[in-house]
Amino acid sequence: GAVVSQHPSWVICKSGTSVKIECRSLDFQATTMFWYRQFPKQSLMLMATSNEGSKATYEQGVEKDKFLINHASLTLSTLTVTSAHPEDSSFYICSVKGRSSYNEQFFGPGTRLTVL
Amino acid sequence: QKEVEQDPGPLSVPEGAIVSLNCTYSNSAFQYFMWYRQYSRKGPELLMYTYSSGNKEDGRFTAQVDKSSKYISLFIRDSQPSDSATYLCAMSANTGNQFYFGTGTSLTVIP
Repeated sequence: GAVVSQHPSWVICKSGTSVKIECRSLDFQATTMFWYRQFPKQSLMLMATSNEGSKATYEQGVEKDKFLINHASLTLSTLTVTSAHPEDSSFYICSVKGRSSYNEQFFGPGTRLTVL
Repeated sequence: QKEVEQDPGPLSVPEGAIVSLNCTYSNSAFQYFMWYRQYSRKGPELLMYTYSSGNKEDGRFTAQVDKSSKYISLFIRDSQPSDSATYLCAMSANTGNQFYFGTGTSLTVIP
């Protein structure tokens, strides 16, 4: 499977600041990247889907102006949490999918965001 | 009704036991079925991938899909303490479609 990295692995920030999280596909051309958030003891909630070179498609209830997603290349996508608030504290995980016919997603290790 | 239902557990078994994890779903269009393992504070790791109905075996892991009952299972034989993790089922209708995840089952294998 694909090797996916995320940076940073954890971040603490003050309320009102913006935080950028990077998702890199190290050995795989990711035509599609997904961003999820996960609260403790809960499942993954899809936030948005992005295809390389296109605007991200956001799930219902996810503010596109608050969670900015950029999928600039086949190996890099970024999620920027703008004007973060304590309720944005969560575990953010990206996943990647390629052009193959198999419907597999490969996940990154996640980024834990804590907003004070 | 949720798209995917999964018993959250927690499930605790002795080392060497056979573990059975299950999910049910409501959408008959689902064709792709996955099981992921997630260790604490880590991203999910793909364990098993199955298309349509049937069984698939990989080492100590066996995945079963029964589309007529809308029921999928993951069996772990000879369970090890290193299998202690949360197991998530996921499914989708077509390639490129959204994945629907279960809430995950927390498993602890006691030495």
